Amino acid sequence: EAQVTQNPRYLITVTGKKLTVTCSQNMNHEYMSWYRQDPGLGLRQIYYSMNVEVTDKGDVPEGYKVSRKEKRNFPLILESPSPNQTSLYFCASSPHGNDYGYTFGSGTRLTVV
Amino acid sequence: AQSVTQLDSQVPVFEEAPVELRCNYSSSVSVYLFWYVQYPNQGLQLLLKYLSGSTLVKGINGFEAEFNKSQTSFHLRKPSVHISDTAEYFCAVSDRGDSWGKLQFGAGTQVVVTP
Repeated sequence: EAQVTQNPRYLITVTGKKLTVTCSQNMNHEYMSWYRQDPGLGLRQIYYSMNVEVTDKGDVPEGYKVSRKEKRNFPLILESPSPNQTSLYFCASSPHGNDYGYTFGSGTRLTVV
Repeated sequence: AQSVTQLDSQVPVFEEAPVELRCNYSSSVSVYLFWYVQYPNQGLQLLLKYLSGSTLVKGINGFEAEFNKSQTSFHLRKPSVHISDTAEYFCAVSDRGDSWGKLQFGAGTQVVVTP
């Protein structure tokens, strides 16, 4: 089944403890992206990647890192999480850019206390 | 840079009634337009998209949207809703000439369908 898989689905952590949210797609898509969803704000893009080793900042990159060492994987790293990073995170992929439409993962609900 | 305004944060509707979700955008360039749906506890799913051609676009689950360039709108409609259409709906826009660029989402419209 074609899908984007995120792990974990739920995560509670403490301020300052480094964490990684994994994202993997099995569709050989070139384009991958991370979004955070907050009530009343819709989805805001954190980082995106056009291909292996090619990444760029979205609207809200502060406090996040990404890497794209393999085409299928695009992990999101929070080096020192803070409470304002409590949010619902989505990974998405597309064959080649926005016009194809995205396939989204099921989301990761992160709480930083 | 583009921006998207979804004019209603919540739309209550009775089963089998029609529904319209309003979306306006602003952009200095030509755009691609999208509607995504998010069912409870799930990721987003593409409903339909406008890239070019006919301004009336048909999508999945009986939804359609009309692109109106003069009014910079892309409203979503369904003539008769089901309970299963209860979800949050997001309008999104990107630059036509930059398909690798940013996809800007609206704040979302929550549709609640009641019997």
